[in-house]
Amino acid sequence: DVKVTQSSRYLVKRTGEKVFLECVQDMDHENMFWYRQDPGLGLRLIYFSYDVKMKEKGDIPEGYSVSREKKERFSLILESASTNQTSMYLCASSLRPSGIGGEQFFGPGTRLTVL
Amino acid sequence: AQSVTQLDSHVSVSEGTPVLLRCNYSSSYSPSLFWYVQHPNKGLQLLLKYTSAATLVKGINGFEAEFKKSETSFHLTKPSAHMSDAAEYFCVVSDLRSGGYQKVTFGTGTKLQVIP
Repeated sequence: DVKVTQSSRYLVKRTGEKVFLECVQDMDHENMFWYRQDPGLGLRLIYFSYDVKMKEKGDIPEGYSVSREKKERFSLILESASTNQTSMYLCASSLRPSGIGGEQFFGPGTRLTVL
Repeated sequence: AQSVTQLDSHVSVSEGTPVLLRCNYSSSYSPSLFWYVQHPNKGLQLLLKYTSAATLVKGINGFEAEFKKSETSFHLTKPSAHMSDAAEYFCVVSDLRSGGYQKVTFGTGTKLQVIP
């Protein structure tokens, strides 16, 4: 079974702090994704990566950056946390498909509160 | 352009009655389509997926969905609702872009309430 783990289930940070959210997958997937989930808005893509050291902006990248130094690990960084970044953050991974979109496997999520 | 519209934010059904959760999509490519379920305080789990094979797709827990290209729809159905089906359901469109990366868009979700 694919396993996607996230470093924390709950996190409380102060405005202006630098925040690191870590995600690790154990199935050698090429693609990794960071989403935030807010009530009524579904999941919105922040960034994704389709290979080591490669990254692409999603729909809402402002205020975030990412790092993928190893294939299994994808980090989301909030450079200077703000209260509007309080949310549930979900990491996902998928196998690079050969012409079709692949199923994504999700981690349990990190609920971040910025005070 | 890629987009997903889940037509109902909330659906309420009685236990034992059919379930219909509606989804319309837009894609300039040949998309793959998915339904995920999220139970309260749980992670997202894949229910079923369409990837250009049979247009009627069967998933877990008795759910199925039909891909209708002419209507750009991928509605989720179940003949008889169980209490355990109460959850939030997400319709997802995915297509492969040049460069080999996967563009994915989630719908805003439909919360299913099952009344005993």
